[in-house]
Amino acid sequence: KAGVTQTPRYLIKTRGQQVTLSCSPISGHRSVSWYQQTPGQGLQFLFEYFSETQRNKGNFPGRFSGRQFSNSRSEMNVSTLELGDSALYLCASSAGSPVRGYTFGSGTRLTVV
Amino acid sequence: DQQVKQNSPSLSVQEGRISILNCDYTNSMFDYFLWYKKYPAEGPTFLISISSIKDKNEDGRFTVFLNKSAKHLSLHIVPSQPGDSAVYFCAASGNQLQGAQKLVFGQGTRLTINP
Repeated sequence: KAGVTQTPRYLIKTRGQQVTLSCSPISGHRSVSWYQQTPGQGLQFLFEYFSETQRNKGNFPGRFSGRQFSNSRSEMNVSTLELGDSALYLCASSAGSPVRGYTFGSGTRLTVV
Repeated sequence: DQQVKQNSPSLSVQEGRISILNCDYTNSMFDYFLWYKKYPAEGPTFLISISSIKDKNEDGRFTVFLNKSAKHLSLHIVPSQPGDSAVYFCAASGNQLQGAQKLVFGQGTRLTINP
């Protein structure tokens, strides 16, 4: 079965712009989570959605937002981009509790210039 | 506030020997621990996990040990193979009431297996 698909793979944006990243989970998975990976910081939890509802949110400013659609696909939006937002953004999906099986996508590499 | 710490940014091991990756945590409410492996340009891949009610879990060449009193876990890979060269992340999760939906990751340890 197809894995977690993230688009686009690479993105270059200018400071002050906004960006939308997309994630299609594994078919049948209803939980979608987003993580940010930067050098030296590991993976930082952004938020998790289940059945179109945000269940948990990490410690990121309000410029970071997300949503989930009825088909479980999810989008993440970052407004007023800053240089420090440059990172690899990873999406992960799970059938239920993520600790039982979290499958990650390959990520979107965002560069803010 | 780094609740999960991997204090060794890198580790180099000879092929065939044992690789031991360490992880410490501070939150006593964590009740599930996982190890992920990551190659460049790919997302992390789940390796092995352990519940807080156990102290050891084994899967082929991979064994995870949990010492709750010391808030420490380790991943043993034996024998180490060149394909094991990757970045390894330790992660932890709370129970359903403490946010089971999110994983808290360490900073990662880059493992290099030398032939």
